[in-house]
Amino acid sequence: GAGVSQSPSNKVTEKGKDVELRCDPISGHTALYWYRQSLGQGLEFLIYFQGNSAPDKSGLPSDRFSAERTGGSVSTLTIQRTQQEDSAVYLCASSLESEQYFGPGTRLTVT
Amino acid sequence: EDQVTQSPEALRLQEGESSSLNCSYTVSGLRGLFWYRQDPGKGPEFLFTLYSAGEEKEKERLKATLTKKESFLHITAPKPEDSATYLCAVQARGTEYGNKLVFGAGTILRVKS
Repeated sequence: GAGVSQSPSNKVTEKGKDVELRCDPISGHTALYWYRQSLGQGLEFLIYFQGNSAPDKSGLPSDRFSAERTGGSVSTLTIQRTQQEDSAVYLCASSLESEQYFGPGTRLTVT
Repeated sequence: EDQVTQSPEALRLQEGESSSLNCSYTVSGLRGLFWYRQDPGKGPEFLFTLYSAGEEKEKERLKATLTKKESFLHITAPKPEDSATYLCAVQARGTEYGNKLVFGAGTILRVKS
């Protein structure tokens, strides 16, 4: 079956611009996660959605980061006023039980 | 704070040379320990979940084991296609949201023919 998909695969933006990253989870998965992987760093949790519950935003690094999940499916991660330190690979994962299945990621480069 | 430490950072093996990767963890209460494989430019690929000390799981040349403080990923007679970064992660029990994964930095494995 289809896995987690993310778009775009690559995004280059100028410092100060806003960007939107999209995630399509596996059909039927109730939980959706965003992680960030920076060069030389491990995967860092950002935000978690479970069904209709309020999201766990505890991993968002600043108020420039926000995410929403529409209709319990597709999610968008928005970064406002991008900074160079935002450059990283942004990974989305979804799960039905404990195992999380990851998408291919969006590589964001802020110039 | 939940923490995961993986060692070694990098490992070079000859084809057929068995070895083990280590994942040490501290967590308030373990719900599960996960192993993933990540190839360059791709997202992590799920390998195993271990839930309790003494549990073992196998898949082809890989075998994962778990104790109360660490997990090992044993690679038997590796092949060049096993070359990848192997990631370990823990999921804590009993937190309000409870399902985020805390990852280690990974072990980069290179298998030469």
